[in-house]
Amino acid sequence: GENVEQHPSTLSVQEGDSAVIKCTYSDSASNYFPWYKQELGKRPQLIIDIRSNVGEKKDQRIAVTLNKTAKHFSLHITETQPEDSAVYFCAARSNDYKLSFGAGTTVTVRA
Amino acid sequence: GAVVSQHPSWVICKSGTSVKIECRSLDFQATTMFWYRQFPKQSLMLMATSNEGSKATYEQGVEKDKFLINHASLTLSTLTVTSAHPEDSSFYICSASISGKEQYFGPGTRLTVT
Repeated sequence: GENVEQHPSTLSVQEGDSAVIKCTYSDSASNYFPWYKQELGKRPQLIIDIRSNVGEKKDQRIAVTLNKTAKHFSLHITETQPEDSAVYFCAARSNDYKLSFGAGTTVTVRA
Repeated sequence: GAVVSQHPSWVICKSGTSVKIECRSLDFQATTMFWYRQFPKQSLMLMATSNEGSKATYEQGVEKDKFLINHASLTLSTLTVTSAHPEDSSFYICSASISGKEQYFGPGTRLTVT
């Protein structure tokens, strides 16, 4: 099955700085890579996603890049704000439609 | 659109009892629903996949006789935790999808077994 690794596990950044989270996956058949933001006790919220036929996608302060050859993808948050503090999960979906999640990154934005 | 609800949002039960959690897609028909378990400070772990009208497919290590899943309609799936033990205490999250594509997550159910 798919195995997704995510780094770092914790990330502390100064407000206004950028945050980068990296993930690798094992199944070359995976073709969809969503990123979720989860606040304590709440459901995961899809913040951005990328499909395997695209190398980069941007939505305002959030961007995702995908390197299919190396089987890794990254989340970039620019101009971080205190409300960006949360746990972020990457995931990969393969042909069976199951999502495999990374271990999560706790992001803390210091004011 | 694409709203998924779960009921109850939290439940406390005694060890040895059973508890049922409902997952509903409110404004779309979900051919596939997924059930996840999330322990504190951990990731979401897929427990099982259920397709409407057929038996659920369980992930390795998940006891199908303990975690009963029913997907009787295109808008409702239920997870019953039977003979609950304290180690079953967790956050249970469902998701619903159309034909297994984008998953829409429910708000989760916090289960505490005393």
